[in-house]
Amino acid sequence: EVQLVESGGGLVQPGGSLRLSCAASGFTFSAYVMNWVRQSPGKGLEWISYISNGGGAIYYADSVKGRFTISRDNAKNSLYLQMNSLRVEDTAVYYCARDLNWSVDFWGQGTLVTVSS
Amino acid sequence: QTVVTQEPSLTVSPGGTVTLTCASSTGAVTSGYYPNWFQQKPGQAPRALIYSTSNKHSWTPARFSGSLLGGKAALTLSGVQAEDEAEYYCLLYCGGVQPWVFGGGTKLTVL
Repeated sequence: EVQLVESGGGLVQPGGSLRLSCAASGFTFSAYVMNWVRQSPGKGLEWISYISNGGGAIYYADSVKGRFTISRDNAKNSLYLQMNSLRVEDTAVYYCARDLNWSVDFWGQGTLVTVSS
Repeated sequence: QTVVTQEPSLTVSPGGTVTLTCASSTGAVTSGYYPNWFQQKPGQAPRALIYSTSNKHSWTPARFSGSLLGGKAALTLSGVQAEDEAEYYCLLYCGGVQPWVFGGGTKLTVL
């Protein structure tokens, strides 16, 4: 059974940092592109970052570029998102989603990040 | 940067048919945008329905279909059921340094 389980969310003050993790199981993690997608309260989905299966290609949305860093460890079947210089507007549920041949199929259940003083 | 536009809301009667569309600010949506469609119900993660314009996942109900229509990607629900009431999002592959772009979502009401 394919599973993606996010963790690491929580309450952080503006300017702070958090590291999100996404643990993958039930499929060959190293074969898949992975993405981070977020959803602010009551708002739509926003793609924020992409990493190729081997990690050689990485992309970010303008809204997080220079502050967030995506990475993966294929040996540990894990995806990460290091989030620095957090802003109130980064408050959202963060999802990891797998991607193969332009099909984004499985999503995790999400982890809530709240940025507030 | 590409902006992807969907109808903010639509209403359909049970048993009816409704088509949701997904447009790109850069021009006609083609198969090269690999349109994906997702359903999201309150408090749940998005669930994938369609990929690469018209391909269904193994779990996608037969009443959902994807296509290209008038320069847009389209999701058609035929024989709508009450359980189809949800938010629907399209996702387009735009390539470049920001490869994926979501539409703003369509809130579908079954009434």
